[in-house]
Amino acid sequence: QAQLVQSGSEVKKPGSSVKVSCKSSGGAFSSYSFSWVRQAPGQGLEWMGGIIPISGTTNYAQNFQGRVTITADTSTSTAYMELSGLRSEDTAVYYCARGPKLGDHNFWYFDLWGRGTLVTVSS
Amino acid sequence: DIQMTQSPSSLSASVGDRVTITCRASQDIINYLAWYQQKPGQVPNFLIYAASSLQPGVPSRFSGSGSGTDFTLTINSLQPEDVATYYCQKYNSALPTFGQGTRVEIK
Repeated sequence: QAQLVQSGSEVKKPGSSVKVSCKSSGGAFSSYSFSWVRQAPGQGLEWMGGIIPISGTTNYAQNFQGRVTITADTSTSTAYMELSGLRSEDTAVYYCARGPKLGDHNFWYFDLWGRGTLVTVSS
Repeated sequence: DIQMTQSPSSLSASVGDRVTITCRASQDIINYLAWYQQKPGQVPNFLIYAASSLQPGVPSRFSGSGSGTDFTLTINSLQPEDVATYYCQKYNSALPTFGQGTRVEIK
């Protein structure tokens, strides 16, 4: 059964960076897309960016351009999200989510989600 | 950027009622629309893609419709386990966007 296993909770100081991992199992890692979606306390879902590991193609939401870096290691089937310049408003649950590939086309909806990683930014 | 607007932001209905949630895109997205259910304290659950295609395992009381800019999610015969926030999401490009969510409660 396919699953995405994310790294554990983090507590960070303002101005620092955090790197969250997402290990995929049960599927052809390189062919899918992997995105990061965050949810601040009591708020909705916000797409941050994504990657297609087979090509290394990345896309980022405008709100996070310059602050987020998404990478993937095909040898370990793991995707990563690094967010820099942390501020209190970045306190949120960060989800890894997989997008399907149908034929030759990658689709950017999310049929599989990790359990989320809580990142708390506090001085 | 294409904006996704859901209405209402919250609703309360009785068990057995038919519930309809609307999602409007600011530009034509054809049928590149997905719906998710997020129960309190849980991970989002994928329900529907291509505006009306039900993900396997999703109860048949859920259905989606629409194209272009206007879409709906319908829950026929609301059940207590359907209490959740529902999100639409457009994926017509590699810059997906979610609606703000609709909270569904039992009256």
